[in-house]
Amino acid sequence: GAGVSQSPSNKVTEKGKDVELRCDPISGHTALYWYRQSLGQGLEFLIYFQGNSAPDKSGLPSDRFSAERTGGSVSTLTIQRTQQEDSAVYLCASSFDRASYNEQFFGPGTRLTVL
Amino acid sequence: DAKTTQPPSMDCAEGRAANLPCNHSTISGNEYVYWYRQIHSQGPQYIIHGLKNNETNEMASLIITEDRKSSTLILPHATLRDTAVYYCIVRVEKGGKLIFGQGTELSVKP
Repeated sequence: GAGVSQSPSNKVTEKGKDVELRCDPISGHTALYWYRQSLGQGLEFLIYFQGNSAPDKSGLPSDRFSAERTGGSVSTLTIQRTQQEDSAVYLCASSFDRASYNEQFFGPGTRLTVL
Repeated sequence: DAKTTQPPSMDCAEGRAANLPCNHSTISGNEYVYWYRQIHSQGPQYIIHGLKNNETNEMASLIITEDRKSSTLILPHATLRDTAVYYCIVRVEKGGKLIFGQGTELSVKP
């Protein structure tokens, strides 16, 4: 079946511009996560959506970052006034979040380059 | 901060078992040990998880010490395609973010 998809796969933008990154989770998954991975750095949690609950935004690095999840499915991560330090691979993951265990399925990521 | 400690890198000969250690001395009673791996230029992939009993699936085995302060991921017959960064993560069972440490970069060599 289809996995998690993300678009675009690559995005080059100029400093100061806004960007939107899209994530299509696996159908039926109730939980959706955004992470990012900077060059040579580990994976960093950004935000987590679970059903109709308020999202866990504790990982967002600044107020320039925001995300929404419409209809409990597709999610968009928006970065306003991009900076060079925002350059990274942005990864989306989804899961069932059931009681037994929580296996997160990751998408291929969007590579963002801010010039 | 990550609650696990792993060696930064390891080598393994193709066809041999790869044994990847992880220290999690501050693990809580309700926290599980999860292993993910990330092959170059791909998103992370779930491998296995466990609470206190040893676990085995089609990908790997997980051995957790009796005091639960450390564990070992075993790839029984490593192949070149197993070359990746392996992450050991402790977390409560259900829901929530994954906190990734630096992981172990495993290189499987012919």
